[in-house]
Amino acid sequence: AQSVSQHNHHVILSEAASLELGCNYSYGGTVNLFWYVQYPGQHLQLLLKYFSGDPLVKGIKGFEAEFIKSKFSFNLRKPSVQWSDTAEYFCAVRGPGGSYIPTFGRGTSLIVHP
Amino acid sequence: DTAVSQTPKYLVTQMGNDKSIKCEQNLGHDTMYWYKQDSKKFLKIMFSYNNKELIINETVPNRFSPKSPDKAHLNLHINSLELGDSAVYFCASSQAGYTEAFFGQGTRLTVV
Repeated sequence: AQSVSQHNHHVILSEAASLELGCNYSYGGTVNLFWYVQYPGQHLQLLLKYFSGDPLVKGIKGFEAEFIKSKFSFNLRKPSVQWSDTAEYFCAVRGPGGSYIPTFGRGTSLIVHP
Repeated sequence: DTAVSQTPKYLVTQMGNDKSIKCEQNLGHDTMYWYKQDSKKFLKIMFSYNNKELIINETVPNRFSPKSPDKAHLNLHINSLELGDSAVYFCASSQAGYTEAFFGQGTRLTVV
C-alpha cells in the first residue's frame, strides 16, 4: 500500500519569505507525484506534477518541487510567498501500490501574513 | 464549462434521512472517485470506480453507496445519516494510470 506523509501541519510566514513544504511517500515502485492547493472554501487545484524526466518540476504561481527518488521525497518550494498563497497544500501519490487511486497526505495549512 | 460538477453545494439534513449527492464530469475520464474531507482537512478516499471495477475503502460504512448510471456520472447515496457524516465530500475524476485527478467544488454536508 502507498502512503504520503507531510511533515509540516501548520506553517506561518510573512510575505516575501521562502517556503518549503516536506512530502515523503512510502511506495518504492514507479509513482507519479502531485501537489494540490485548496484555497479557503474552494476545491483542490493542481499546482504541479511529476511523471518522469527532470526531477525539478515547475508549476503554477511560481511553485516548484523536487523529486528525490533516493529519499522518497517530493518537497514543494516557493522563493517568495505572497498573502494570496494562504491555503491548504496537499501532496499526493498515484501508483500501482495503491491501485492507482490518488492518495493524499494530511495537508499543510499555510498562512502568509502581509 | 465546469469539468467536474457536483450538486448540491450545501446540504443540511436531519439524522436518519437518506440523501444523494450527484457528480458529473465532462472530461471523458474513465475513473471517478469520492473523497471525504473531515474538519481537519484530511482527504480520505471512499470509492474509486471505472466501468470495470469498484474499489471500496473498507473503512467506509455500508450506508454509503456509489451509483453510476453511466461513465460520466458517479453519484453518492447515503442512508440513515449520522452526525459523524458531516463533512465536505469531493467528487473527482481521472484517466486510468498515472494522470492527475480533477476535483469538483465539493458538497458540504451538515447533519443535525
